[in-house]
Amino acid sequence: ILNVEQSPQSLHVQEGDSTNFTCSFPSSNFYALHWYRWETAKSPEALFVMTLNGDEKKKGRISATLNTKEGYSYLYIKGSQPEDSATYLCAPSSNTGKLIFGQGTTLQVKP
Amino acid sequence: SAVISQKPSRDICQRGTSLTIQCQVDSQVTMMFWYRQQPGQSLTLIATANQGSEATYESGFVIDKFPISRPNLTFSTLTVSNMSPEDSSIYLCSVDRGRETQYFGPGTRLLVL
Repeated sequence: ILNVEQSPQSLHVQEGDSTNFTCSFPSSNFYALHWYRWETAKSPEALFVMTLNGDEKKKGRISATLNTKEGYSYLYIKGSQPEDSATYLCAPSSNTGKLIFGQGTTLQVKP
Repeated sequence: SAVISQKPSRDICQRGTSLTIQCQVDSQVTMMFWYRQQPGQSLTLIATANQGSEATYESGFVIDKFPISRPNLTFSTLTVSNMSPEDSSIYLCSVDRGRETQYFGPGTRLLVL
């Protein structure tokens, strides 16, 4: 799996705004799609792992969808809060288990 | 989940020297991974470390530059050898729990002058 692209590269929103990011990846040799949140000076935190086309997962105000046929995933944040400020990473994996990371989307939520 | 610690959390080193980074996990795991993130770049896998065998390195990474030890199922070290400013990065270890997800340590922030 090569060429994992995330957009936008960075995003500034106001508290209360809803937002979404995109992760694009080659659909061949796909096994799973991982989303992580990485706050400065902390460990990357696993948000979701999705494997099936059409999968939707939700964790509080954050949700994600997966389209394996066209090779993309969306991450949505509803009603952004300052504590949501972080870099969001996506990483598809093949059946070897290796993760290939995108460059991430850095979100800043202004109070 | 897994609790993972790394030492040191950050360091500033002179070129030509070496730094060994430690990764400790709170429970036994089969596979441990070492990643780096250079400024403005993606998290990139350096190597996979299995206990009792030599580490498996990804394309572009070699054992002489990044020797890895895995003496037991809860501990691993990564050494960055003969450092240059291009080695300035965040280095992270992670563990795999049955491929459902990987859990990461907090990272080691390295600056090479």
